[in-house]
Amino acid sequence: DAKTTQPNSMESNEEEPVHLPCNHSTISGTDYIHWYRQLPSQGPEYVIHGLTSNVNNRMASLAIAEDRKSSTLILHRATLRDAAVYYCILCFGNEKLTFGTGTRLTIIP
Amino acid sequence: DTGVSQDPRHKITKRGQNVTFRCDPISEHNRLYWYRQTLGQGPEFLTYFQNEAQLEKSRLLSDRFSAERPKGSFSTLEIQRTEQGDSAMYLCASSLAGQGKGYTFGSGTRLTVV
Repeated sequence: DAKTTQPNSMESNEEEPVHLPCNHSTISGTDYIHWYRQLPSQGPEYVIHGLTSNVNNRMASLAIAEDRKSSTLILHRATLRDAAVYYCILCFGNEKLTFGTGTRLTIIP
Repeated sequence: DTGVSQDPRHKITKRGQNVTFRCDPISEHNRLYWYRQTLGQGPEFLTYFQNEAQLEKSRLLSDRFSAERPKGSFSTLEIQRTEQGDSAMYLCASSLAGQGKGYTFGSGTRLTVV
């Protein structure tokens, strides 16, 4: 499985944008980039995914580098409820997700 | 649709006992996955089904573990002769097979082996 590299932790102030980076230099042409987040004592929650183009949905935006070797999850205006572990995952088609340790995001009120 | 349901939410069992967990996926999802998560780690893949067929099993799934999805709807994960190392959160997810679809996870079953 192609691997991703994320910072272990990040902090952000409430109501400010958050940019969560992910490096995936060994990504293949058919790998989708998925982001999930996990709140304490809950299962992971789907956030967004993309292949080549930037993507937006109600939760976040996904910016994908032109060479696809990195991506950034953007939370436009962080709230306390966004405090979670964020996982960046490469996934071929609809095959299994392989999770790393993710980035623990702390929101400072 | 109420999402992916897992039962029970918590299970405490004595070492050596057998336990069974149930997962009810989103009804139109044909794929169902089982993951295990220990404290501070990301979820680890165990196995997945497409309809009733078990398509892949992780090396983590020892002979003491068995999973079924008899009618392509709900699934059960059984652990025989539990060990303390089996203590973890067991997560179920479902999806609709296709290119790059998102997965829906349940809230998990937390197993404690004493």
